[in-house]
Amino acid sequence: DAGVTQSPTHLIKTRGQQVTLRCSPISGHKSVSWYQQVLGQGPQFIFQYYEKEERGRGNFPDRFSARQFPNYSSELNVNALLLGDSALYLCASTPFGPRAYEQYFGPGTRLTVT
Amino acid sequence: AQTVTQSQPEMSVQEAETVTLSCTYDTSENNYYLFWYKQPPSRQMILVIRQEAYKQQNATENRFSVNFQKAAKSFSLKISDSQLGDTAMYFCAFRVGGSQGNLIFGKGTKLSVKP
Repeated sequence: DAGVTQSPTHLIKTRGQQVTLRCSPISGHKSVSWYQQVLGQGPQFIFQYYEKEERGRGNFPDRFSARQFPNYSSELNVNALLLGDSALYLCASTPFGPRAYEQYFGPGTRLTVT
Repeated sequence: AQTVTQSQPEMSVQEAETVTLSCTYDTSENNYYLFWYKQPPSRQMILVIRQEAYKQQNATENRFSVNFQKAAKSFSLKISDSQLGDTAMYFCAFRVGGSQGNLIFGKGTKLSVKP
């Protein structure tokens, strides 16, 4: 089975612009989480979605939003980009059942804001 | 609030030797999970090993094992027979129990395996 996929791989945006990042979970996984990883730090939780509903939100401003589609893929949107939004954005999916506490990560999208 | 602390920013080990990475955490929860993730330069975050807090037996996955000390809130990772491919950032992570929940990560330890 394919792992978690994310697109695009790299992205360069200008301050004030908007960006949309995409994620497809592992087949059969219904929960998707988004994390921001600033260079030299561990990932920070942004959102979690399960069955198309938001189930958790980290300490991020309202400029960050997300949604999950009927096929369980997800998008993360960031408006009014700031230089500080430059980071690696990771998507993770969670299986259903006895391993529901595990998260499997995609390769990430590297966002650079200039 | 839960926190995860990795006190070793960088470590190095000779190929074939054993190395231990430290992690401590703070929580008032009794039902939780602990993980070690590996992030090589390719940046893909890979799950290395997991430990359920209710299990007293330490988890083992091939060359990777943990020393889980629940009372001390310590969760160290031991890598035996280190290989060049083990060179990566290693992150300790915590998650409360329940069907939904997010991971809380430490700042990571950069491990270099030297030939």
